[in-house]
Amino acid sequence: GENVEQHPSTLSVQEGDSAVIKCTYSDSASNYFPWYKQELGKGPQLIIDIRSNVGEKKDQRIAVTLNKTAKHFSLHITETQPEDSAVYFCAASSYSGNTPLVFGKGTRLSVIA
Amino acid sequence: SAVISQKPSRDICQRGTSLTIQCQVDSQVTMMFWYRQQPGQSLTLIATANQGSEATYESGFVIDKFPISRPNLTFSTLTVSNMSPEDSSIYLCSVEFQGVGYTFGSGTRLTVV
Repeated sequence: GENVEQHPSTLSVQEGDSAVIKCTYSDSASNYFPWYKQELGKGPQLIIDIRSNVGEKKDQRIAVTLNKTAKHFSLHITETQPEDSAVYFCAASSYSGNTPLVFGKGTRLSVIA
Repeated sequence: SAVISQKPSRDICQRGTSLTIQCQVDSQVTMMFWYRQQPGQSLTLIATANQGSEATYESGFVIDKFPISRPNLTFSTLTVSNMSPEDSSIYLCSVEFQGVGYTFGSGTRLTVV
């Protein structure tokens, strides 16, 4: 089955700097790669996703890149703000609506003001 | 995207008792997914629930411990049976709706004493 590795487990950046979180996956059949943000006491919130027919996707300060050949994808957050502090999870699946997501172990991002 | 109402949001239970968690979706969905998130950990899939058939459980999870009901296309319950302190976790339900991604409920924070 699918295995998703996520690095780093913790990341501290100064406000205004960029943050990068990287994930690798094992199953070449996976074609959907979402990123979730989880704040304390809340469920995961989808912040951006990418499908395997696209190499990069951007939404304001957040971008995701995908390298299918190398089986890795990354989350990039620019101009970080204190409210970006949270736990971020990457995930992968062979998207069909009937296939569950497999998650990485998470990255705790701290943005220092 | 679909909106999920999950309850209870939190509970403190005595060991040996059972707790039933409910998830109500505002749209009809084929599959509902139940996850467990142990303290400080990532999300682990417990089972996939399809309306009209028995849930499919992941390795390490059994129906006697985590019975699931899926009586219709908008509702599901997960019961945590004969609880022990090791069951203290956040339990989350998730759905995929019309290709827009996977949505999560806000979670049930369970503490077993």
